[in-house]
Amino acid sequence: DQQVKQNSPSLSVQEGRISILNCDYTNSMFDYFLWYKKYPAEGPTFLISISSIKDKNEDGRFTVFLNKSAKHLSLHIVPSQPGDSAVYFCAASPQGGSEKLVFGKGTKLTVNP
Amino acid sequence: SQTIHQWPATLVQPVGSPLSLECTVEGTSNPNLYWYRQAAGRGLQLLFYSVGIGQISSEVPQNLSASRPQDRQFILSSKKLLLSDSGFYLCAWREGLSAGELFFGEGSRLTVL
Repeated sequence: DQQVKQNSPSLSVQEGRISILNCDYTNSMFDYFLWYKKYPAEGPTFLISISSIKDKNEDGRFTVFLNKSAKHLSLHIVPSQPGDSAVYFCAASPQGGSEKLVFGKGTKLTVNP
Repeated sequence: SQTIHQWPATLVQPVGSPLSLECTVEGTSNPNLYWYRQAAGRGLQLLFYSVGIGQISSEVPQNLSASRPQDRQFILSSKKLLLSDSGFYLCAWREGLSAGELFFGEGSRLTVL
């Protein structure tokens, strides 16, 4: 039972354009969402998060949008840079905090120069 | 500042041999500790988590076990490795009772031959 889904295993964009990574979840108890970035042979690093009381959170080139009714969130990267090429994981946590984060399978982003 | 280290970084082991991966966290007290595995096409799978010394929760039935002998030490073990245990193992920590992000270690690549 996959509670957090990233249906696109890969995405390729041109440098300078927008990258949009999508994530869907099924558990309505999730109320805190995070995006992680992972380079090969390294641990994931935290990128940006959003709680369910918001529908948008922005940090520099990165913006996360949350649509609770659709149980959908997306990560926008504008403008995309070659250094953004990595695997991006969406993660979710249930209400009130939890010992566990549930991760999606990841989307591999390639930004072409 | 807090840091997390895990070792060894890479390991090649024959089927049936034992395993011990170690993880330590510095600069924090009573963290929640986690072991994740990244296998091809599977994303980040939570294996074990611990909210305190000697307290281990297992998420999936498997050939592995975890122990937390000290507050900031988390060990992943197996008595007899299987081919299917190959993967990239990640240790992570989080502030106890927090809904915040996980901080990951550098990862350990295990190849079982």
